[in-house]
Formats: sequence, structure tokens, C-alpha cells
Amino acid sequence: DQQVKQNSPSLSVQEGRISILNCDYTNSMFDYFLWYKKYPAEGPTFLISISSIKDKNEDGRFTVFLNKSAKHLSLHIVPSQPGDSAVYFCASGGSNYKLTFGKGTLLTVNP
Amino acid sequence: DAEITQSPRHKITETGRQVTLACHQTWNHNNMFWYRQDLGHGLRLIHYSYGVQDTNKGEVSDGYSVSRSNTEDLPLTLESAASSQTSVYFCASSDSLNSPLHFGNGTRLTVT
Repeated sequence: DQQVKQNSPSLSVQEGRISILNCDYTNSMFDYFLWYKKYPAEGPTFLISISSIKDKNEDGRFTVFLNKSAKHLSLHIVPSQPGDSAVYFCASGGSNYKLTFGKGTLLTVNP
Repeated sequence: DAEITQSPRHKITETGRQVTLACHQTWNHNNMFWYRQDLGHGLRLIHYSYGVQDTNKGEVSDGYSVSRSNTEDLPLTLESAASSQTSVYFCASSDSLNSPLHFGNGTRLTVT
């Protein structure tokens, strides 16, 4: 049973526009949510996180939104840049330090 | 700078052989994790450890084992390699609850 779902395998946007990546989770015990970015032949790198007591967290061009009632989070990238092209993983965790990851979304930002 | 190092970066082995993948971190983190990444599956947890002498099974632990004899290292052993274990393996560490995982650059393992 997939506890963290990223239903869009890929997303293509134009440079300068907004990228919106979505993630759904099923486990009500999750209280910590993160986004990771991964380039080919490299490990995932942490991008931004949000705890369940918040509904928004912003870091520069990246904003994560959390809708607890819908068990949904999203990552907004504004403005999108070609260097943002990568696979983005959504991850969720609870009180046991473990993270459960989604399958990832390949973002392509076209110049 | 603190880091997490995986070796080798690439490995080709034959079915039935025992293989050990190394993971070494200099963050002094108590928590260490092994994930595998496969197309269509994302990152799946194999084993994890909360400290020296502690090991726990993840969601895809069959055919794998780990040992934690010190803080810095968590080697992953494939007891008898199978073609289904062809994958990219990532080691990660973290220091506290709700802190991000730091990942290594991965080991690409091919079992022929």
C-alpha cells in the first residue's frame, strides 16, 4: 500500500513560469513532510520541509503548502529555471525518524 | 565538511555471490538508513539503524542485512545476490527527529 503518492510521473514547464508538484499521503501519523531534489548520478538533496502545525513554508523560490484535511501537499517553484530540471521526491515521516518516499516527479523546465 | 560516502559507485556481480556495499558518514549522526531506487517505485527503505548495535528491517529487507559496530558505518550485505536486486542503492543519515536525511551519491549494483 503506497502511503505517499506522486501521481504525476512528469511535468514540463516554461522557464519563468510556475511549477507545481503535488503529493498525497494516507498515513494520519505523518507529521513531517519534505521535498527532495535529485539530479542523475547524484543522491537526493533536501529542498524544503514543513511540519504538520503549519500550512505553508517558504524558502526563496520554493514554497511548500500542506492541506492536512485533504492529506495533500504541494511544492511551488516560482519562477522556474532550467537548473530546476530534476526528479522531485515527496517524503513524509512521523515519530520514528523514518521517511517514506513517493515515486518521484520528473520536472523539465524548458528555456 | 561533514559528508556521507558510499563505495563502490558501481558494482557488477553474479547471481548467488555475497556483496557488501559500504556507507561511511562523518556527520556523527546516530540514525542511518539504506534505500533502493527503482524505476516506478521511487525510494524504498531496506534497513535502518538508530545507533551502535541497533538494526531494523524496512519495507524491502528480504535478502539484505546490515550491521552497526560504530557510529560512522552501516554496511549493507546482500547474502546471495539475485537479479531482482539490480538497483541503485542510497545510504542516508540524520541526527534528530524531524531533521532532513543527508544522502550519499549512491551505488549502482548490477546482478548478472
